[in-house]
Order: sequence, then C-alpha cells, then structure tokens
Amino acid sequence: ENVLTQSPATLSLSPGERATLSCRASQTVSNYLAWYQQKPGQAPRLLIYDTYKRATGIPARFSGKGSGTDFTLTISSLEPEDFAVYYCQQRSNWPLTFGGGTKVEI
Amino acid sequence: QVQLQQWGAGLLKPSETLSLTCVVYGGSFSDNYWNWIRQPPGKGLEWIGEISHRGSANYNPSLKSRVTISVDTSNNQFFLEVTSVTAADTAVYYCARGRLLTSQRPPYFQHWGQGTLAIVSS
Repeated sequence: ENVLTQSPATLSLSPGERATLSCRASQTVSNYLAWYQQKPGQAPRLLIYDTYKRATGIPARFSGKGSGTDFTLTISSLEPEDFAVYYCQQRSNWPLTFGGGTKVEI
Repeated sequence: QVQLQQWGAGLLKPSETLSLTCVVYGGSFSDNYWNWIRQPPGKGLEWIGEISHRGSANYNPSLKSRVTISVDTSNNQFFLEVTSVTAADTAVYYCARGRLLTSQRPPYFQHWGQGTLAIVSS
C-alpha cells in the first residue's frame, strides 16, 4: 500500500501567519492527492483535490501544489477557524490511503 | 443535496460483531459506490471498503477477512459488519459517498455521515 507521511506532526502558529504542511507518498500518486480539514467531533471536510483544485466553498487562502511523491498544502494567512487537523489522501491506487495528519494549533 | 445518516451499537465486548447502518438522502443512490472509513481515537483515517447498489464490494486487504459491507437499495441503505472485534477496532466509523460506478479510480470524499463511535471493551 501507498504510505503517506505528513510533516510536521504539529504546527504551532498564530492567526495571520502562513502555514505550510507537507505530505510525502511512498509511491508516486501523479496528481491524485487531496487534503481534508477535521475539527474535533466533526467528519473531515474536503479542501483540495487533484493536488491544487479547491472544493466547493473553500476560501482562496487554501492552496495546494506538488506532483509525484511530494505535496504541500499552504494556508496563506491563518484565520481562527483554520486551527484544526489536516489529512492528505491519495487516490492513485488501491487501497486508497490517508496520511497521519498535521495538527495546526495556536 | 446528499446527506448521510448513520447509526449502530456503540459498546461491544471482544469477539462480538460490530454492525452499523448508513442511510442516504438525496442524490442518486445507484450512481455511486458507498464507503466506510474509520478513525481510532486520536489517530488517522483508515478506508475500510465500498459497495455499489448492485452489491459489488471492495475491501481494504488489511481488514478483508473480518469485514462485510452490504446494501439495501430499496431503502437507500448500506451496512457494515466487523466480526471478532478487539480493542483495536475501537474507532469512530464514518460512512461516505465514493466514486461513480463508471470510475475505476479510488474516490475522494465530499459527503460524509456524522460518525459513530464504537468502543470495544470487556
């Protein structure tokens, strides 16, 4: 299976700062990578799919880039509601897999 | 607007069978595969498997021997059973809409149920 490794595990930042999250795949996923945001007690919310495409209703401060095995999610200026856990997910091959998550905290 | 609502037993003893139900409101039940995903407390997400309205199921090899996903098309429902549960099966279980029947590639997940916590403890 394709193992996704996210770093860092925790990112401590302040509102207004820029957040850069990393996801590395053990096998190439082409551009078939998504990012989700999860807040406590809630289901994950799809933010970005196919590396850089924003899902419906997602603000422009969220952006994604990368290809092959290395991907980045950037939040250009953190809003208070952005403090959450973020997961990457690949759909290049079966079984689909998720990364272990990065917690963005104040 | 697609909505998924799920329910099932929350507290199980080791060796029992975990059973969950997910009902789908809105959209076309027959156009997509329907998925189960789980998340142990404080940990990441694990895809369990998927099923089509025709009953065609695919499973994560890591769980395949203990998992059965089934479907009731007449009521837009699908089900998860996990047999011989242990403490390692303690998790929040989510149902989610998956890929179109015409797609061969695994899905992303835009529509999720609210999650059901299943605790395995003696």
